[in-house]
Amino acid sequence: QSALTQPASVSGSPGQSITISCTGTSSDVGNYNLVSWYQQHPGKAPKLIIYEVNYRPSGVSGRFSGSKSGNTASLTISGLQAEDEADYYCCSYAGSIIFYVFGTGTKVTVL
Amino acid sequence: QVQLQQSGPGLVKTSQTLSLTCAISGDTVSSNSAVWNWIRQSPSRGLEWLGRIYYRSEWYGDYALSVKSRITINPDTSKNQFSLQLNSVTPEDTAVYYCARYPSGKSYFDPWGQGTLVTVSS
Repeated sequence: QSALTQPASVSGSPGQSITISCTGTSSDVGNYNLVSWYQQHPGKAPKLIIYEVNYRPSGVSGRFSGSKSGNTASLTISGLQAEDEADYYCCSYAGSIIFYVFGTGTKVTVL
Repeated sequence: QVQLQQSGPGLVKTSQTLSLTCAISGDTVSSNSAVWNWIRQSPSRGLEWLGRIYYRSEWYGDYALSVKSRITINPDTSKNQFSLQLNSVTPEDTAVYYCARYPSGKSYFDPWGQGTLVTVSS
């Protein structure tokens, strides 16, 4: 099972909006509304920021939003802030043989 | 608030067994509303889900195909923790290993343990 495809890097200026794509297949992203997104700062464990495509856990900033179209999910960060500089990973449920597949990761840089 | 605390050696010799433990607070390993997972992260393989256990009147486990022949995840109800054992390790198993929980019926990982860097070397 191949990893979900994400751009290696995305950058933006403070206050701007950026979008990170996560492309899978009809066996994972396209077949289940079970895409989650994680933020990871250097040396730290990943932190859940979006689940089930577009739901935010309590305590996560409203500047983070998710969506999905076909086999591609997306994470949008609006009003970019310096603290958003981190690595971001998507994850999708992929059925009862593969179970879970993660994305390749995207490094977000705040210019 | 659920918290996960990992422990275990950071160096394992090639061909031996990697063993890690994840202690749970704020929940119980035998909860009917939780699933307990191991995930690893390395520069070459990225984030990789390894396996899970859960209790629904009896214990169930599922494992990633890539490690299925070498992995065991076990509960320890007396200590409210669960463990990972990965046999016959090679340098390719060098990674940061995380334990993580997800709520029953859901498919997102939250929270995660702090991570343990395990290096496999001869």
